[in-house]
Amino acid sequence: DAKTTQPPSMDCAEGRAANLPCNHSTISGNEYVYWYRQIHSQGPQYIIHGLKNNETNEMASLIITEDRKSSTLILPHATLRDTAVYYCIALLSNFGNEKLTFGTGTRLTIIP
Amino acid sequence: DSGVTQTPKHLITATGQRVTLRCSPRSGDLSVYWYQQSLDQGLQFLIQYYNGEERAKGNILERFSAQQFPDLHSELNLSSLELGDSALYFCASSVDPSGNTGELFFGEGSRLTVL
Repeated sequence: DAKTTQPPSMDCAEGRAANLPCNHSTISGNEYVYWYRQIHSQGPQYIIHGLKNNETNEMASLIITEDRKSSTLILPHATLRDTAVYYCIALLSNFGNEKLTFGTGTRLTIIP
Repeated sequence: DSGVTQTPKHLITATGQRVTLRCSPRSGDLSVYWYQQSLDQGLQFLIQYYNGEERAKGNILERFSAQQFPDLHSELNLSSLELGDSALYFCASSVDPSGNTGELFFGEGSRLTVL
């Protein structure tokens, strides 16, 4: 699986959009970009994933650059409950014998 | 609520002992994954089962073993416990019936403390 790089921490004001970057410059053509978050010792929570096109769901939007070397997770209107560690993971499309590998992620703090 | 149930939520035991952690996946999910999260090592993949068979193995110690039963629940057995085994143990299940996905639903974890 491709290695991803994320900033260790970020702050965002409540009500504003939180933009979390992820670099995956060595990603291969059949690797998806997955985002998870973990709120203080709770189980990780799946947010969104994508391959090439931008994706949006009820939680967030995922913007992937055309060369697929980086992506941005966008939380449109951050709330205090969005304070968490966010993980960006590159994963082969055929999960099969591969494993979801969590790095150190970005600790996002939403400021009132 | 992810639909994945883990028991017990908390467990305190002594070094050298053996414990069993239990996981019930979401209804219909065939894959079960076990992860360990300690303070100094983050989330580490241990093992995956798919419909009763081992599918993938991570850095699981020989003192640890797991199985998935016909009703799809899974147990993680930890033996000869050491202080360093103190951690949160998470179970997850997969929404994809083939097991080929990174979209996992995690339980709330079992916090193991070894004294």
